[in-house]
Amino acid sequence: EIVLTQSPGTLSLSPGERATLSCRASQSVSSSYLAWHQQRPGQAPRLLIYGASSRATGIPDRFSGSGSGTDFTLTINRLEPEDFAVYYCQQYGSSPWTFGQGTKVEIK
Amino acid sequence: QVQLQESGPRLVKPSETLSLTCTVSGGSIRSYYWSWIRQSPGKGLEWIGYIYYSGSTNYNPSLKSRVTISVDTSKNQFSLKLNSVTAADTAVYYCARGQVTFDYWGQGTLVTVSS
Repeated sequence: EIVLTQSPGTLSLSPGERATLSCRASQSVSSSYLAWHQQRPGQAPRLLIYGASSRATGIPDRFSGSGSGTDFTLTINRLEPEDFAVYYCQQYGSSPWTFGQGTKVEIK
Repeated sequence: QVQLQESGPRLVKPSETLSLTCTVSGGSIRSYYWSWIRQSPGKGLEWIGYIYYSGSTNYNPSLKSRVTISVDTSKNQFSLKLNSVTAADTAVYYCARGQVTFDYWGQGTLVTVSS
């Protein structure tokens, strides 16, 4: 199965700053079948990005995804207070679908 | 607005069967895929499997020998059974809509395996 490694483990930033999160796959993710999810404390994950760069319905344009092959990035421009959460990447190019271990974006 | 709600026992004894049901409201279960995903401190998020409303399934190979997912379109529900559970199966279990990406999730239910 494809192992996803996210970095950094924790990102300490201030509101208004930009967050750059990385997701590296152990093998190429076919057709950029890579998603990003946000999880706030006590809540279920929420789909942000699919197909590496397409925003899900209702997701603000300050969230953007990029990358292909084995290296993917989630960028959050101008962090809002509600963006401080844990972010997970997920690949669905090869069964079983797998998730990264998460990056926590915390308030500095 | 589609909503999903998990229900079932929160405490299961080792070697027994974990059974959960997901009730879908605000939309039909038909024409969609539905999945189960779990989250534990030790293994993080783990996809368990999915079912199409027609009944076709696909399971994570690591759990395939112990998992059954079924659907009841008349009740707008789908269910998870995981047999021969151990402490390693203690997790928050989520139901979600989707085959590969998941656009609606239940709130999750913590199931503890303990005697």
